[in-house]
Amino acid sequence: KAGVTQTPRYLIKTRGQQVTLSCSPISGHRSVSWYQQTPGQGLQFLFEYFSETQRNKGNFPGRFSGRQFSNSRSEMNVSTLELGDSALYLCASSLLGGGYEQYFGPGTRLTVT
Amino acid sequence: AQSVTQPDIHITVSEGASLELRCNYSYGATPYLFWYVQSPGQGLQLLLKYFSGDTLVQGIKGFEAEFKRSQSSFNLRKPSVHWSDAAEYFCAVGASLKTSYDKVIFGPGTSLSVIP
Repeated sequence: KAGVTQTPRYLIKTRGQQVTLSCSPISGHRSVSWYQQTPGQGLQFLFEYFSETQRNKGNFPGRFSGRQFSNSRSEMNVSTLELGDSALYLCASSLLGGGYEQYFGPGTRLTVT
Repeated sequence: AQSVTQPDIHITVSEGASLELRCNYSYGATPYLFWYVQSPGQGLQLLLKYFSGDTLVQGIKGFEAEFKRSQSSFNLRKPSVHWSDAAEYFCAVGASLKTSYDKVIFGPGTSLSVIP
């Protein structure tokens, strides 16, 4: 089976712009979770989608949003980018979602200048 | 609330030496427990998992972990470390069998350096 894929792998944006990141989960997995990873804050949970519904949400401002399509692919959008949004954004897919095992993609490295 | 602590921020070991990375969790029921490894600039890879049953679980790359309910611990071990094991290691806790809407909580990570 193919693993979790994320596009793009690297992205440079300017403060105030918006960005959309994409994640394709492992075939058959209906849960997709998104995480932000920074050196200072570690791994922080953004949200989880399961069968096109957001089931869980972390403590991030409304500028961070996501969605999931019927084929389980997911997108994450960040509007009005701030310098502090520079991070590695990781997507993880899971067969059952919630607290069960997750499989991670390679991440998208976002740099905001 | 679920929480995970990894007391060691950074550990350095010599190649060939044994390794133990500590993990403690806080959870009201029997948790699902995981160890993940992350190489620089990469995503996380699942090393092993504990759901129930035998408290000593084997994983990939020669790693094992032991669940100790009395100590709320799930320490990761490897008898002989290789230089390629240098990476960041994350302990994580997830939902029990009675709920499917919890999320996986990750510890802060332990950075492992290996001296040749």
